Amino acid sequence: AQSVTQPDIHITVSEGASLELRCNYSYGATPYLFWYVQSPGQGLQLLLKYFSGDTLVQGIKGFEAEFKRSQSSFNLRKPSVHWSDAAEYFCAVGPTGTASKLTFGTGTRLQVTL
Amino acid sequence: DAGITQSPRHKVTETGTPVTLRCHQTENHRYMYWYRQDPGHGLRLIHYSYGVKDTDKGEVSDGYSVSRSKTEDFLLTLESATSSQTSVYFCAGTRDTQGYGYTFGSGTRLTVV
Repeated sequence: AQSVTQPDIHITVSEGASLELRCNYSYGATPYLFWYVQSPGQGLQLLLKYFSGDTLVQGIKGFEAEFKRSQSSFNLRKPSVHWSDAAEYFCAVGPTGTASKLTFGTGTRLQVTL
Repeated sequence: DAGITQSPRHKVTETGTPVTLRCHQTENHRYMYWYRQDPGHGLRLIHYSYGVKDTDKGEVSDGYSVSRSKTEDFLLTLESATSSQTSVYFCAGTRDTQGYGYTFGSGTRLTVV
């Protein structure tokens, strides 16, 4: 069965500092990988996704993520955080095939200090 | 218009009563999903649909049923609400299974008292 681990429940960074959110997955083959962001009271918005090919993927809002097969990781990064990036971030994994049911991690809440 | 609309946005109901949450989409998503979000658990899949009248169970389906009589609408019913079903419920959809990614609704906050 597929699973996702986000080891950091809560992270605080200063505005302008770099950010890395960790995600480790368990799946028997190369999965589809996603990062979503959730602002308070809102649904989830897709930041970026990885299917195959280049292991460094670019997303919206200046985010990027790197797929590392050897480490079963898909960490999210941003070189300079803005106060508006404060939100909860979810990593998700999905298989290829019918219905593409995604399994989500438990989320990392990002706080940005000014 | 939002691609996926959930109604109601908030609901308080009593234990033992049936409750139906509605998800309406205007983006021709073939696949639709109901998740619940709880602190420390992230999002967990309740039920999903891969077409009209085609539905299946997710990992936390006990006490829930779904129906999809047309592409646009995906209903989640709590047959007899319990306090453990107090949660935020999200509907999501996708047009295909090739990693397109989900579009989410804004959620329904349900409180069972």
